[in-house]
Amino acid sequence: GENVEQHPSTLSVQEGDSAVIKCTYSDSASNYFPWYKQELGKRPQLIIDIRSNVGEKKDQRIAVTLNKTAKHFSLHITETQPEDSAVYFCAASMANAGGTSYGKLTFGQGTILTVHP
Amino acid sequence: DAGVIQSPRHEVTEMGQEVTLRCKPISGHNSLFWYRQTMMRGLELLIYFNNNVPIDDSGMPEDRFSAKMPNASFSTLKIQPSEPRDSAVYFCASSPRGPDYEQYFGPGTRLTVT
Repeated sequence: GENVEQHPSTLSVQEGDSAVIKCTYSDSASNYFPWYKQELGKRPQLIIDIRSNVGEKKDQRIAVTLNKTAKHFSLHITETQPEDSAVYFCAASMANAGGTSYGKLTFGQGTILTVHP
Repeated sequence: DAGVIQSPRHEVTEMGQEVTLRCKPISGHNSLFWYRQTMMRGLELLIYFNNNVPIDDSGMPEDRFSAKMPNASFSTLKIQPSEPRDSAVYFCASSPRGPDYEQYFGPGTRLTVT
């Protein structure tokens, strides 16, 4: 099955700096790569996603890049703010043998991001 | 819409007891997912349903776990008998079109088995 590796496990930055979190996946058939943010004691929430037909996607201070050849994708947060402090999860959706959307989502282990004021 | 609703929010039970977790997905969503979150194992998919039919239950730990979705607006995850290692936060999530679209998570049920 799919295996998603996420690094680093913890990341500490100063307010205003950039933060980068990287993930690799194992199944070349994966075609959907979301990022979820989970604040302490709360539920995971989608912040951005990218599909395999796109190399980069940006939404204000957040961007995601995808390299299908190398099977890795990254989350970039610019101008970090204290409210960005949370656990960030990457994930990959593996299509089933028929290539339908019935593939399941496999999550990385998470990155604890701390933004110091 | 109220979002995904889960009950109970907290459950404390003794080893050997039966535990039933409940979930109401967002109306109109055709996919429902049950996840378990622990510090050691992270966020794991247990099972997911598409149009009320179980599609992939390979993440269900063992026969003590079972899940049902009798209709489009209700699902249960049952653990019988419960064990201390089942202690975790259990999330239910729903999606309008399947696993490769945004999943909306419920608030979770924190289960403690003593």
